[in-house]
Amino acid sequence: GQQVQQSPASLVLQEGENAELQCNFSSTATQLQWFYQRPGGSLVSLLYNPSGTKHTGRLTSTTVTKERRSSLHISSSQITDSGTYFCAFTGANTGKLTFGHGTILRVHP
Amino acid sequence: EAAVTQSPRNKVTVTGGNVTLSCRQTNSHNYMYWYRQDTGHGLRLIHYSYGAGNLQIGDVPDGYKATRTTQEDFFLLLELASPSQTSLYFCASSDALGGHYAEQFFGPGTRLTVL
Repeated sequence: GQQVQQSPASLVLQEGENAELQCNFSSTATQLQWFYQRPGGSLVSLLYNPSGTKHTGRLTSTTVTKERRSSLHISSSQITDSGTYFCAFTGANTGKLTFGHGTILRVHP
Repeated sequence: EAAVTQSPRNKVTVTGGNVTLSCRQTNSHNYMYWYRQDTGHGLRLIHYSYGAGNLQIGDVPDGYKATRTTQEDFFLLLELASPSQTSLYFCASSDALGGHYAEQFFGPGTRLTVL
């Protein structure tokens, strides 16, 4: 079945540092989405990026479809960025979104 | 942005009990989904639907029924709840399965505890 590997599993930063989160998936993606979740909270869609590069605020996602990978760059991290970041993809002909296990980000002052 | 609401937000029941979780989306999306989230397993798809009266089986359907009564409303039914179904449940919606309109939007979640 579809699989998603996220790295690192956890990341600790000081406020102001940049973060790079990686996502590798098992087949060609027709859909690739990055989500953010606070502990016990809902999933907030950050970026929908099945291919190429997209920006929103301090977030940049780059998806290289042929290499089956995507990255999420967070610039100038803030304490409020702390939480879990999920990558999810849909492979061709499956129609179902498969989630990675997430990267836990902690930003300290 | 899509508006997805869920009720109840928290539910406690006993083993063997009947539970119905409700989801409503107000952006006329075609697709709706039910997921469960558990530590160590991430999010897993239970059932999904592409319109009123339609139901598609997800990856972990055992012990769950679902019904899509209207384009807006999607229900998850646990007819004989078991402790293994204690979880955080999310509903989501999207306009399509793939392509530009496949972005999924999630509700706030329902925390279910089965004693």
